[in-house]
Amino acid sequence: DAGVIQSPRHEVTEMGQEVTLRCKPISGHNSLFWYRQTMMRGLELLIYFNNNVPIDDSGMPEDRFSAKMPNASFSTLKIQPSEPRDSAVYFCASSLGGGHPDTQYFGPGTRLTVL
Amino acid sequence: SQELEQSPQSLIVQEGKNLTINCTSSKTLYGLYWYKQKYGEGLIFLMMLQKGGEEKSHEKITAKLDEKKQQSSLHITASQPSHAGIYLCGAALTFEKLVFGKGTKLTVNP
Repeated sequence: DAGVIQSPRHEVTEMGQEVTLRCKPISGHNSLFWYRQTMMRGLELLIYFNNNVPIDDSGMPEDRFSAKMPNASFSTLKIQPSEPRDSAVYFCASSLGGGHPDTQYFGPGTRLTVL
Repeated sequence: SQELEQSPQSLIVQEGKNLTINCTSSKTLYGLYWYKQKYGEGLIFLMMLQKGGEEKSHEKITAKLDEKKQQSSLHITASQPSHAGIYLCGAALTFEKLVFGKGTKLTVNP
């Protein structure tokens, strides 16, 4: 069974450009999470969805960041405009989302570099 | 504020030695997760603990959650080079949201 799929695996862009990260959760999972990992701050939750609905976006750093989940099998995280401080590894994770603590399964991540 | 403290930050051991990594929360947890991460890769789920006093083992790795559900330890017996990586604890402060520690980098020298 395929795990969480993320694309691209690496992204290098210039400051001011729009960046779109993509995620396909595990089939049958109802919750999807976007995380950002940096050396300074560790792994931080940005936003999570349940049944395609954003539940908590309190971790989204600012208005330049937006996330969507148009259907149960696809989500995007967009940064517009990108800045050098956005450079990090972005992870997507999914879980069954049954209303009790569920194991989150992580994708391989997208390493973003903003020049 | 850092809600989850993980220690030590890094650990270097000789192959065959035992080691322990600790994870402490200031709040009672719904659940405690242990993950392993290798450089350039995603997090691999190891174990989840939910009940106070719970202990789980998988191969040579044992994780425990204390009775108050605020502290967990991960113990590796007879470490091997394959155990090397970054170990992260994640705490469920609510049902869905996880807060992660900064991680423990483990190096196992042959």
